[in-house]
Amino acid sequence: SQWGEENLQALSIQEGEDVTMNCSYKTYTTVVHWYRQDSGRGPALIILIRSNEREKRSGRLRATLDTSSQSSSLSITAAQCEDTAVYFCATVNYGNEKITFGAGTKLTIKP
Amino acid sequence: DMKVTQMPRYLIKRMGENVLLECGQDMSHETMYWYRQDPGLGLQLIYISYDVDSNSEGDIPKGYRVSRKKREHFSLILDSAKTNQTSVYFCASSPSARTDYTFGSGTRLLVI
Repeated sequence: SQWGEENLQALSIQEGEDVTMNCSYKTYTTVVHWYRQDSGRGPALIILIRSNEREKRSGRLRATLDTSSQSSSLSITAAQCEDTAVYFCATVNYGNEKITFGAGTKLTIKP
Repeated sequence: DMKVTQMPRYLIKRMGENVLLECGQDMSHETMYWYRQDPGLGLQLIYISYDVDSNSEGDIPKGYRVSRKKREHFSLILDSAKTNQTSVYFCASSPSARTDYTFGSGTRLLVI
């Protein structure tokens, strides 16, 4: 699980396995962003999920959002080596457009 | 391709020198942001700009100032750089944080 006060976490799995990364947040939000960041590059938004969606899919990615427990998850099905990256969640402050990032999970997919 | 462009990509400055980091976007987004990212930590918001000359402090504005005179450009200025400002700086832009968000590739600043 990740949030801003925590340091970067590390997770390593074998190619072909499924993986889920969790994110718990403290302040009210109706939108959660999930990003991936490759080494030496800027974060890239991969899934944006709203409170009325509960679940959103994009290819092998699946995000969920549970506003009652203030948590979100990102799952990758049949992970590939190219999925190796750091994954962040972020919440959006509805009033001032500020987003707050979790510290991230460094995911390594081993061949 | 719609994108956020940051210049320069790498920069080495001596302590006490002034630093100018530049960011451009070609999407006509109203809102732009500056963040810094330190090893093992998340992204920290320095400043947010809601449009031309409409800037607001983020979580760590001390030691930084910004300028936005055109919608497509947002600059971050370090007056008299300090060694603890060594970091990777990212610019981002968004039409609305509830719909989309694009980051640049970052500027790696080393203050010696």
